[in-house]
Amino acid sequence: EVQLVESGGGLVQPGGSLRLSCAASGFTFSSYWMSWVRQAPGKGLEWVANIKQDGSEKYYVDSVKGRFTISRDNAKNSLYLQMNSLRAEDTAVYYCARHEFGDLDYWGQGTLVTVSS
Amino acid sequence: DIQMTQSPSSLSASVGDRVTITCQASQDISNYLNWYQQKPGKAPKLLIYDASNLEAGVPSRFSGSGSGTDFTFTISSLQPEDIATYYCQQYDTLPPWTFGRGTKVEIK
Repeated sequence: EVQLVESGGGLVQPGGSLRLSCAASGFTFSSYWMSWVRQAPGKGLEWVANIKQDGSEKYYVDSVKGRFTISRDNAKNSLYLQMNSLRAEDTAVYYCARHEFGDLDYWGQGTLVTVSS
Repeated sequence: DIQMTQSPSSLSASVGDRVTITCQASQDISNYLNWYQQKPGKAPKLLIYDASNLEAGVPSRFSGSGSGTDFTFTISSLQPEDIATYYCQQYDTLPPWTFGRGTKVEIK
């Protein structure tokens, strides 16, 4: 059974940093692109970043470029999102999801990040 | 970036009704369009990929059509368990990928 389990969310002050993790199991992690998608409270979905199977390609939405870094460790079946210079507008539930092409076919349950003083 | 205009933002229909949601892309995206269902407090679930392909295990009352810039998602006979918010998502060429703003479906 495919499972994606996010962790690392919490309350952080504006300007602070947080590192999210996504533990994958039940599939060959190294064979899939992986994405982070977020959802602000009561709002819609926003794709944040993705990373190729071997980590050689990474893409970001403009609003997080230069502040967030996506990475992965295929030996540990894990995906990460390093978030620096956090802003109030980064407050959201962050989901990890796998995909072969553009179809996000499995999602984690999400982890809540709250940026507030 | 490609913008996705999804409508309506909400709708109310009776059990058994046919429900239609549309999504328009700001430029030609071929068939690179997916549809997701999200129930309150849950992660989104992929229903339709590549505009018209039903994801495995998804009931056949869900369907999708379209190509280029105009796409349609249909529930042929609305069921109580279909109460959710539905999103379209484009993945034309390279990211950034974008979602529509969502359609909240309620039972009348």
